[in-house]
Amino acid sequence: DGGITQSPKYLFRKEGQNVTLSCEQNLNHDAMYWYRQDPGQGLRLIYYSQIVNDFQKGDIAEGYSVSREKKESFPLTVTSAQKNPTAFYLCASRRLAGGPETQYFGPGTRLLVL
Amino acid sequence: AQSVTQLGSHVSVSEGALVLLRCNYSSSVPPYLFWYVQYPNQGLQLLLKYTSAATLVKGINGFEAEFKKSETSFHLTKPSAHMSDAAEYFCAVSGLNTGNQFYFGTGTSLTVIP
Repeated sequence: DGGITQSPKYLFRKEGQNVTLSCEQNLNHDAMYWYRQDPGQGLRLIYYSQIVNDFQKGDIAEGYSVSREKKESFPLTVTSAQKNPTAFYLCASRRLAGGPETQYFGPGTRLLVL
Repeated sequence: AQSVTQLGSHVSVSEGALVLLRCNYSSSVPPYLFWYVQYPNQGLQLLLKYTSAATLVKGINGFEAEFKKSETSFHLTKPSAHMSDAAEYFCAVSGLNTGNQFYFGTGTSLTVIP
């Protein structure tokens, strides 16, 4: 089955620790996105990438980093600089065909701070 | 600039009653509009999308939405609510002038009362 996988489902971070969230897609989509979801705030864009080895900051990129070494993979690292990382993180992807291409979402990773 | 406003962060309806979730957009050009549903601790799933082919769009699970350019609205409706419809609903806008980004509303939480 084609789709987007995120792992782990739950992740615990200690103070001062960097953690990496995995996102993989087998839909052959060009663009991939990371969102942060907090209660009552909807989805906020962290980073996105439209092509391998290139990515752009979203609205809340501070304290996060990404890489796009392969088309299928777009891992997100939550660094120790992110002081309030507790949230639900969603990865998404879509084709870039110039039209109303749907953005598809993974199941999410919930990050908690110990 | 593109933006989406969802009026009412919480909506409650009785089982069997009409569901109406409101979404208004601002866009300088005709947009593409989407409705997504999110169940607890899951990713977002596409309900339906408007692509300019027809103003009344039918989606999954009996939902539909009507694009009204004069009102800049894309409200989501379902004639008869079911208990399984209880979830968070997000309206989103995309378009040719958004740099391939989606802009999401803050979401509406739907409660269905038995």
